[in-house]
Amino acid sequence: DAGVIQSPRHEVTEMGQEVTLRCKPISGHDYLFWYRQTMMRGLELLIYFNNNVPIDDSGMPEDRFSAKMPNASFSTLKIQPSEPRDSAVYFCASSLTLGDRSHSGANVLTFGAGSRLTVL
Amino acid sequence: DAKTTQPNSMESNEEEPVHLPCNHSTISGTDYIHWYRQLPSQGPEYVIHGLTSNVNNRMASLAIAEDRKSSTLILHRATLRDAAVYYCILRDYAGGTSYGKLTFGQGTILTVHP
Repeated sequence: DAGVIQSPRHEVTEMGQEVTLRCKPISGHDYLFWYRQTMMRGLELLIYFNNNVPIDDSGMPEDRFSAKMPNASFSTLKIQPSEPRDSAVYFCASSLTLGDRSHSGANVLTFGAGSRLTVL
Repeated sequence: DAKTTQPNSMESNEEEPVHLPCNHSTISGTDYIHWYRQLPSQGPEYVIHGLTSNVNNRMASLAIAEDRKSSTLILHRATLRDAAVYYCILRDYAGGTSYGKLTFGQGTILTVHP
C-alpha cells in the first residue's frame, strides 16, 4: 500500500481564495482524520469520519472550513475564503478502527506527508 | 481530557539508550498510553502503546509505572534517524466525545548527536 496520500504537498494562495486539500486514505481503513499543525497551537484534530460519515467536527475552527468524504477512498478539506491565519501544515490520517485496544495495530493512525498551506 | 507532561527537549548520543519520560498523574483507568513521533518534515508515526504492562516492539520499549502516573519510552540504541519530536498521548476509551481520539501535546524534541 502506498500509505495515506495527500495533495497538494505545497499550496501558496492569496487571501480570499478558495483552497481545497485532498486525501486518499489507506484502502480498507474505516476512519479518516484531518489535523492541522502550527507552531503556536501544535497538532489539532479538526474532524474525523467513520465510514464516510463525519463523527466529530468540533475542532473545525469556523464556517470557512468544511470537510467531505464522498466515498471510502477520498476526502477533501476546503477553506473558503482563506485567510493568512490559516497558514499551516494540514495532515490527513487513517486507521482501521478506533477502539481496538490490542497490539494488532488496527487502531494505529497512519499519517500522510501533509499539505503545507501558505496564505498571503 | 487527561493531560501529559513531557520535557521540552532532550539530547542523546548516537548508539546510546534514550529514556523519554512522560507524566500523566490524572490518568484514568480507561486511558491507554500512546507514543507517536514526528520526524522533520513528515507526519507523525506510531511508536508504541500500552495500558499497564511494559511493552516491547521493534522500535522501542514502553515502561509504565505501577501506579500508571508516569511512563518512559526507551530507545535502546539511538540513531540519527531517531531525532524527532516524541509525543506521549493518553487515548481515552471510557466513552463519550473523547473516545479513541488522539490529542497531541507539545512533545519532546529529541536531538541525537553523532
